[in-house]
Amino acid sequence: QLQLQESGPGLVKPSETLSLTCTVSGGSISSRSYYWACIRQPPGKGLEWIGSISYSGSTFYNPSLKSRVTISVDSSKNQFSLKLHSVTAADTAVYYCARPIAAPRHDAFDLWGQGTMVTVFS
Amino acid sequence: QSVLTQPPSVSAAPGQKVTISCSGSSSNIGNNYISWYQHLPGTAPKLLIYDDDKRPSGIPDRFSGSKSGTSATLGITGLQTGDEADYYCGTWDTSLIAVVFGGGTKLTVL
Repeated sequence: QLQLQESGPGLVKPSETLSLTCTVSGGSISSRSYYWACIRQPPGKGLEWIGSISYSGSTFYNPSLKSRVTISVDSSKNQFSLKLHSVTAADTAVYYCARPIAAPRHDAFDLWGQGTMVTVFS
Repeated sequence: QSVLTQPPSVSAAPGQKVTISCSGSSSNIGNNYISWYQHLPGTAPKLLIYDDDKRPSGIPDRFSGSKSGTSATLGITGLQTGDEADYYCGTWDTSLIAVVFGGGTKLTVL
């Protein structure tokens, strides 16, 4: 059974780069043309899509975050990774990895990781 | 400010029916499929409805979705205390070239 697992630093200092890795287990990240997504939820707020990447490296980013976001994929490790640069307290959130219900669509996420809390804290 | 608009909260008694609305525009709901998610605290969101009105395997038929123009509705019948959660709508926005979500609706089962 396919599963997603996030791993991240927990704490990041303001102005630094938040790095999050999503590991796919129970299947290959390269099977079918799925767009693997990063989504976050700040405390007390709603869900926010950060961006998505295909196994071949094609990316789509949230326009409001595009200037600070890089999502990459490492098929050999069955992982995709998020880098969010120049973080502020507003980037404090639970960060999720997710996959849509079908390829190659971008929405309708039926597979989620458990989420990892990242706090921007000096 | 979310691209999709949902009421902040709704409430109903156990056993009753509730509806949650999601309003958007022609660049999102009007021309793309809508999805609905249930989010319980401390857990990952769960997909309840996709493609406007389809249920993934394992989702009971108490949950239903509909769409008309640039608005969509999630319906839940036979409310249970376990249905207390935050509910989100989401879709693709063709103009923004992005996935967009509503601000979420907190359901209270009185």
